Amino acid sequence: GIQVEQSPPDLILQEGANSTLRCNFSDSVNNLQWFHQNPWGQLINLFYIPSGTKQNGRLSATTVATERYSLLYISSSQTTDSGVYFCAVFLSYNTDKLIFGTGTRLQVFP
Amino acid sequence: ETGVTQTPRHLVMGMTNKKSLKCEQHLGHNAMYWYKQSAKKPLELMFVYSLEERVENNSVPSRFSPECPNSSHLFLHLHTLQPEDSALYLCASSSDGGRTEAFFGQGTRLTVV
Repeated sequence: GIQVEQSPPDLILQEGANSTLRCNFSDSVNNLQWFHQNPWGQLINLFYIPSGTKQNGRLSATTVATERYSLLYISSSQTTDSGVYFCAVFLSYNTDKLIFGTGTRLQVFP
Repeated sequence: ETGVTQTPRHLVMGMTNKKSLKCEQHLGHNAMYWYKQSAKKPLELMFVYSLEERVENNSVPSRFSPECPNSSHLFLHLHTLQPEDSALYLCASSSDGGRTEAFFGQGTRLTVV
């Protein structure tokens, strides 16, 4: 089956720092989403990004589907950015299957 | 509020109990999902329903039984669970194989004692 790997697995930052999270996938996909999971377990939608680049405030994402990766950029990080970041992909050949990556755990300290 | 509502938010059950988790979506989506997330682990896909038909059963033990009576509602019936089934159970909905964004409920945190 498809492999969805995220790196780094853990990231510790001081407030104000910038970071890049990576999502690699091993098969062609219909679509890709980035989520932030808060400490209460809620998955918050960040980006729905099959290709190209999108920006939302301090966050931006880029997906290069032909090379099977996506990047999430966090600039000027804040303590509220702490949590786990997941990418998830819809497979091209099994279009109702949404598969999650391994996650990146981010801790931002003041 | 994401348009996907799960109840209950927390559940403690004994190994001999029978309980059900409920998920409701108000987004007009035609696919619904159950995921399991054990402590500090990624999400594991359990079941997928598309147009009320089960299209995916990811080798889930029979003590978990899903039901999708219509495109807006999804249940997960639980019976004779084991302590290792304690986890966060998340429901999601989407449409048209990823051509619309998927949204998640807030989850049910299940503890089996």
